[in-house]
Amino acid sequence: DAGVIQSPRHEVTEMGQEVTLRCKPISGHNSLFWYRQTMMRGLELLIYFNNNVPIDDSGMPEDRFSAKMPNASFSTLKIQPSEPRDSAVYFCASTETSEAYNEQFFGPGTRLTVL
Amino acid sequence: AQSVTQPDIHITVSEGASLELRCNYSYGATPYLFWYVQSPGQGLQLLLKYFSGDTLVQGIKGFEAEFKRSQSSFNLRKPSVHWSDAAEYFCAGDQTGANNLFFGTGTRLTVIP
Repeated sequence: DAGVIQSPRHEVTEMGQEVTLRCKPISGHNSLFWYRQTMMRGLELLIYFNNNVPIDDSGMPEDRFSAKMPNASFSTLKIQPSEPRDSAVYFCASTETSEAYNEQFFGPGTRLTVL
Repeated sequence: AQSVTQPDIHITVSEGASLELRCNYSYGATPYLFWYVQSPGQGLQLLLKYFSGDTLVQGIKGFEAEFKRSQSSFNLRKPSVHWSDAAEYFCAGDQTGANNLFFGTGTRLTVIP
């Protein structure tokens, strides 16, 4: 299995532009998580999906952030418009089920720089 | 509030020395507890996890962790560190039962020859 796939690996954009991050979870996994990692705030959960349905988006920082999961094999995290403070590494993770104690498998991350 | 704390931001150990990374939790009941490792430029990888049962948990790469309710701790240990263990280590907890993890701030491990 290729593991969780994220694209792009690096993104540099200018303030005000729309940014779309993509994630392909491990095949057969039913839960998907989006995290943001910064030096100041560490690793924060933004949103997670079970069976393609958003369950908890309380970690999404602002309305500029939105996430979708149109099918079991694809999810996007969109920032529109982007701001310099959105610069971070964004991770996607997936698990087999939503039950606790299941290992979350992380992708390699997308490093976003907003100028 | 539910949380885990890692009091050590950065630890340096010599190769071959023993290691202990601290993690404290503040949950009302016994939470699910995890240790993850992040190598530079990589995503996180699970080392081990605890929910119930034996309080000494064995993980991958020779790591173990001990759950101590009296101290609200879940410290990670390794008897002999290898240079390849240099990475950032995250303790995480979940009391929701929905795999909603709260991560500590991480401890960066440096291994010197």
